[in-house]
Amino acid sequence: QSVLTQPPSASGTPGQRVTISCSGSSSNIGVNYVYWYQQLPGTAPKLLIYRNNQRPSGVPDRFSGSKSGTSASLAISGLRSEDEADYYCAAWDDSLSGWVFGGGTKVTVL
Amino acid sequence: EVQLVQSGAEVKKPGESLKISCKGSGYSFTTYWIGWVRQMPGKGLEWMGIIYPGDSDTRYSPSFQGQVTISADKSISTAYLQWGSLKASDTAMYYCARTYCSGGSCYSGYYQHWGQGTLVTVSS
Repeated sequence: QSVLTQPPSASGTPGQRVTISCSGSSSNIGVNYVYWYQQLPGTAPKLLIYRNNQRPSGVPDRFSGSKSGTSASLAISGLRSEDEADYYCAAWDDSLSGWVFGGGTKVTVL
Repeated sequence: EVQLVQSGAEVKKPGESLKISCKGSGYSFTTYWIGWVRQMPGKGLEWMGIIYPGDSDTRYSPSFQGQVTISADKSISTAYLQWGSLKASDTAMYYCARTYCSGGSCYSGYYQHWGQGTLVTVSS
Protein backbone atom coordinates (compact mmCIF):
# COMPACT_ATOMS: atom_id res chain seq x y z
CA GLN A 1 0.00 0.00 0.00
CA SER A 2 1.62 3.22 -1.18
CA VAL A 3 1.59 6.34 1.00
CA LEU A 4 0.45 8.47 -1.96
CA THR A 5 -2.67 7.37 -3.81
CA GLN A 6 -2.93 7.33 -7.60
CA PRO A 7 -5.44 5.68 -9.93
CA PRO A 8 -3.94 2.50 -11.39
CA SER A 9 -4.77 3.40 -14.96
CA ALA A 10 -5.76 6.20 -17.29
CA SER A 11 -6.30 6.29 -21.03
CA GLY A 12 -7.11 8.53 -23.93
CA THR A 13 -6.99 8.79 -27.68
CA PRO A 14 -4.25 10.69 -29.50
CA GLY A 15 -4.69 14.42 -29.03
CA GLN A 16 -6.82 14.12 -25.92
CA ARG A 17 -6.04 15.46 -22.47
CA VAL A 18 -5.43 13.01 -19.65
CA THR A 19 -5.21 13.90 -15.97
CA ILE A 20 -3.68 11.80 -13.19
CA SER A 21 -4.42 12.53 -9.55
CA CYS A 22 -2.18 12.00 -6.53
CA SER A 23 -3.53 12.18 -3.01
CA GLY A 24 -1.37 12.49 0.09
CA SER A 25 -1.48 13.94 3.57
CA SER A 26 -0.39 16.83 5.75
CA SER A 27 3.04 15.29 6.30
CA ASN A 28 3.96 15.00 2.62
CA ILE A 29 2.08 16.79 -0.16
CA GLY A 30 0.47 19.18 2.30
CA VAL A 31 3.83 20.69 3.28
CA ASN A 32 6.29 19.71 0.57
CA TYR A 33 6.71 19.89 -3.17
CA VAL A 34 5.33 17.22 -5.48
CA TYR A 35 7.36 15.54 -8.19
CA TRP A 36 6.33 13.40 -11.12
CA TYR A 37 8.36 10.67 -12.80
CA GLN A 38 7.73 8.97 -16.11
CA GLN A 39 8.83 5.36 -16.52
CA LEU A 40 8.79 4.01 -20.05
CA PRO A 41 8.66 0.21 -20.36
CA GLY A 42 11.95 -1.40 -19.36
CA THR A 43 13.67 1.85 -18.41
CA ALA A 44 14.58 3.80 -15.30
CA PRO A 45 12.27 6.55 -14.03
CA LYS A 46 12.79 9.98 -15.56
CA LEU A 47 12.01 13.26 -13.81
CA LEU A 48 9.03 14.86 -15.54
CA ILE A 49 7.86 17.61 -13.17
CA TYR A 50 9.64 19.10 -10.17
CA ARG A 51 8.49 21.50 -7.45
CA ASN A 52 4.81 20.95 -8.28
CA ASN A 53 4.78 22.49 -11.74
CA GLN A 54 8.28 22.98 -13.13
CA ARG A 55 9.49 21.12 -16.19
CA PRO A 56 13.13 20.07 -16.58
CA SER A 57 14.82 21.06 -19.78
CA GLY A 58 13.67 18.83 -22.62
CA VAL A 59 10.26 17.92 -21.20
CA PRO A 60 7.51 19.04 -23.60
CA ASP A 61 5.07 21.68 -22.38
CA ARG A 62 2.28 19.15 -23.01
CA PHE A 63 3.07 17.97 -19.50
CA SER A 64 1.94 20.15 -16.62
CA GLY A 65 1.62 19.72 -12.87
CA SER A 66 -0.41 21.36 -10.15
CA LYS A 67 -0.96 21.04 -6.42
CA SER A 68 -3.72 22.06 -4.05
CA GLY A 69 -3.71 21.21 -0.36
CA THR A 70 -2.83 17.55 0.05
CA SER A 71 -3.46 16.60 -3.56
CA ALA A 72 -1.69 17.06 -6.85
CA SER A 73 -2.29 16.26 -10.47
CA LEU A 74 -0.40 15.70 -13.68
CA ALA A 75 -1.98 16.64 -16.98
CA ILE A 76 -0.90 15.43 -20.38
CA SER A 77 -2.41 17.43 -23.20
CA GLY A 78 -2.22 16.50 -26.86
CA LEU A 79 -1.69 12.84 -25.92
CA ARG A 80 0.80 11.00 -28.13
CA SER A 81 1.62 7.32 -28.52
CA GLU A 82 5.05 7.86 -26.98
CA ASP A 83 3.37 8.99 -23.75
CA GLU A 84 2.39 5.39 -22.99
CA ALA A 85 4.20 4.80 -19.72
CA ASP A 86 3.83 4.51 -15.98
CA TYR A 87 3.66 7.79 -14.08
CA TYR A 88 4.57 8.16 -10.42
CA CYS A 89 4.05 11.05 -8.05
CA ALA A 90 6.49 11.56 -5.18
CA ALA A 91 6.97 13.84 -2.19
CA TRP A 92 9.21 14.08 0.84
CA ASP A 93 7.41 12.95 3.97
CA ASP A 94 8.36 14.86 7.11
CA SER A 95 6.98 12.18 9.46
CA LEU A 96 8.87 9.34 7.79
CA SER A 97 11.92 11.50 6.97
CA GLY A 98 12.01 9.93 3.55
CA TRP A 99 10.56 9.92 0.07
CA VAL A 100 7.13 8.47 -0.54
CA PHE A 101 5.74 7.49 -3.92
CA GLY A 102 2.35 6.85 -5.40
CA GLY A 103 1.55 3.38 -6.65
CA GLY A 104 1.86 4.51 -10.25
CA THR A 105 -0.63 5.15 -13.05
CA LYS A 106 -0.35 3.31 -16.34
CA VAL A 107 -1.31 5.57 -19.21
CA THR A 108 -2.58 3.87 -22.34
CA VAL A 109 -3.02 5.62 -25.66
CA LEU A 110 -6.02 4.02 -27.37
CA GLU B 1 27.70 14.56 -18.20
CA VAL B 2 26.39 13.07 -14.96
CA GLN B 3 26.26 9.27 -15.11
CA LEU B 4 25.31 6.59 -12.63
CA VAL B 5 26.32 3.14 -13.83
CA GLN B 6 25.05 0.17 -11.87
CA SER B 7 26.43 -3.35 -11.67
CA GLY B 8 24.89 -6.15 -13.70
CA ALA B 9 21.99 -8.47 -13.01
CA GLU B 10 22.37 -11.03 -10.24
CA VAL B 11 20.80 -14.43 -9.65
CA LYS B 12 21.14 -15.68 -6.10
CA LYS B 13 19.75 -18.35 -3.80
CA PRO B 14 17.85 -17.60 -0.58
CA GLY B 15 20.25 -17.09 2.31
CA GLU B 16 23.12 -15.86 0.14
CA SER B 17 24.71 -12.44 0.52
CA LEU B 18 24.94 -9.78 -2.17
CA LYS B 19 26.42 -6.34 -2.76
CA ILE B 20 25.42 -4.30 -5.80
CA SER B 21 27.09 -1.10 -6.88
CA CYS B 22 26.43 2.30 -8.40
CA LYS B 23 29.38 4.24 -9.85
CA GLY B 24 29.02 7.97 -10.28
CA SER B 25 30.91 10.07 -12.81
CA GLY B 26 30.79 13.53 -14.32
CA TYR B 27 30.34 15.31 -10.99
CA SER B 28 31.80 15.62 -7.49
CA PHE B 29 30.77 12.26 -6.02
CA THR B 30 31.36 13.27 -2.42
CA THR B 31 28.98 16.24 -2.38
CA TYR B 32 25.71 14.73 -3.63
CA TRP B 33 23.43 12.31 -1.81
CA ILE B 34 22.80 8.94 -3.50
CA GLY B 35 19.49 7.19 -2.87
CA TRP B 36 18.33 3.64 -3.52
CA VAL B 37 14.86 2.75 -4.82
CA ARG B 38 13.28 -0.69 -5.09
CA GLN B 39 10.80 -1.77 -7.73
CA MET B 40 9.36 -5.24 -7.26
CA PRO B 41 8.09 -7.05 -10.37
CA GLY B 42 5.06 -5.25 -11.76
CA LYS B 43 4.94 -2.88 -8.78
CA GLY B 44 5.69 0.72 -7.91
CA LEU B 45 8.70 2.58 -6.59
CA GLU B 46 9.80 2.32 -2.94
CA TRP B 47 12.44 4.53 -1.35
CA MET B 48 14.98 2.52 0.63
CA GLY B 49 17.48 5.04 1.94
CA ILE B 50 20.26 7.46 1.15
CA ILE B 51 23.94 8.06 1.73
CA TYR B 52 26.15 11.15 1.63
CA PRO B 53 29.48 9.84 0.33
CA GLY B 54 31.38 12.80 1.75
CA ASP B 55 31.00 11.57 5.34
CA SER B 56 28.98 8.34 4.87
CA ASP B 57 25.95 9.82 6.66
CA THR B 58 23.28 7.20 5.95
CA ARG B 59 19.52 7.25 6.49
CA TYR B 60 17.06 4.41 5.96
CA SER B 61 13.37 4.11 5.32
CA PRO B 62 11.76 2.43 8.34
CA SER B 63 10.61 -0.32 5.95
CA PHE B 64 14.19 -1.21 5.05
CA GLN B 65 16.10 -0.42 8.26
CA GLY B 66 17.91 -3.57 9.34
CA GLN B 67 17.14 -5.35 6.06
CA VAL B 68 19.85 -3.81 3.90
CA THR B 69 23.08 -1.85 4.30
CA ILE B 70 23.96 1.21 2.25
CA SER B 71 27.59 2.23 1.99
CA ALA B 72 29.98 4.15 -0.25
CA ASP B 73 33.65 4.19 -1.21
CA LYS B 74 34.45 7.75 -2.20
CA SER B 75 37.90 6.77 -3.43
CA ILE B 76 36.27 4.99 -6.37
CA SER B 77 33.06 7.10 -6.54
CA THR B 78 30.86 4.09 -5.87
CA ALA B 79 27.82 3.54 -3.67
CA TYR B 80 26.66 0.11 -2.58
CA LEU B 81 23.54 -1.70 -1.48
CA GLN B 82 24.02 -5.00 0.29
CA TRP B 83 22.13 -7.87 1.85
CA GLY B 84 23.43 -10.31 4.42
CA SER B 85 20.86 -13.01 3.77
CA LEU B 86 18.64 -12.71 0.71
CA LYS B 87 15.00 -13.76 0.61
CA ALA B 88 12.81 -14.53 -2.38
CA SER B 89 10.92 -11.33 -1.60
CA ASP B 90 14.09 -9.35 -2.35
CA THR B 91 13.59 -10.15 -6.04
CA ALA B 92 13.29 -6.74 -7.66
CA MET B 93 14.90 -4.06 -9.78
CA TYR B 94 17.03 -1.71 -7.71
CA TYR B 95 17.83 1.81 -8.84
CA CYS B 96 20.33 4.29 -7.50
CA ALA B 97 19.65 7.99 -8.00
CA ARG B 98 21.43 11.26 -7.28
CA THR B 99 19.94 14.37 -5.73
CA TYR B 100 19.70 17.52 -7.82
CA CYS B 101 21.43 19.62 -5.15
CA SER B 102 24.75 19.28 -3.39
CA GLY B 103 25.74 19.48 0.23
CA GLY B 104 25.00 17.62 3.40
CA SER B 105 21.75 19.47 4.00
CA CYS B 106 20.29 18.31 0.67
CA TYR B 107 19.23 14.86 1.93
CA SER B 108 15.62 15.54 0.93
CA GLY B 109 16.55 16.73 -2.56
CA TYR B 110 14.68 15.23 -5.47
CA TYR B 111 16.32 12.73 -7.80
CA GLN B 112 17.36 14.21 -11.10
CA HIS B 113 19.72 11.48 -12.27
CA TRP B 114 19.09 7.74 -12.15
CA GLY B 115 21.14 4.63 -12.77
CA GLN B 116 19.96 2.05 -15.28
CA GLY B 117 18.90 -0.38 -12.56
CA THR B 118 20.18 -3.74 -11.31
CA LEU B 119 17.85 -6.72 -11.46
CA VAL B 120 18.22 -9.03 -8.49
CA THR B 121 16.57 -12.44 -8.71
CA VAL B 122 16.46 -14.65 -5.62
CA SER B 123 15.30 -18.18 -6.28
CA SER B 124 16.10 -21.65 -5.08
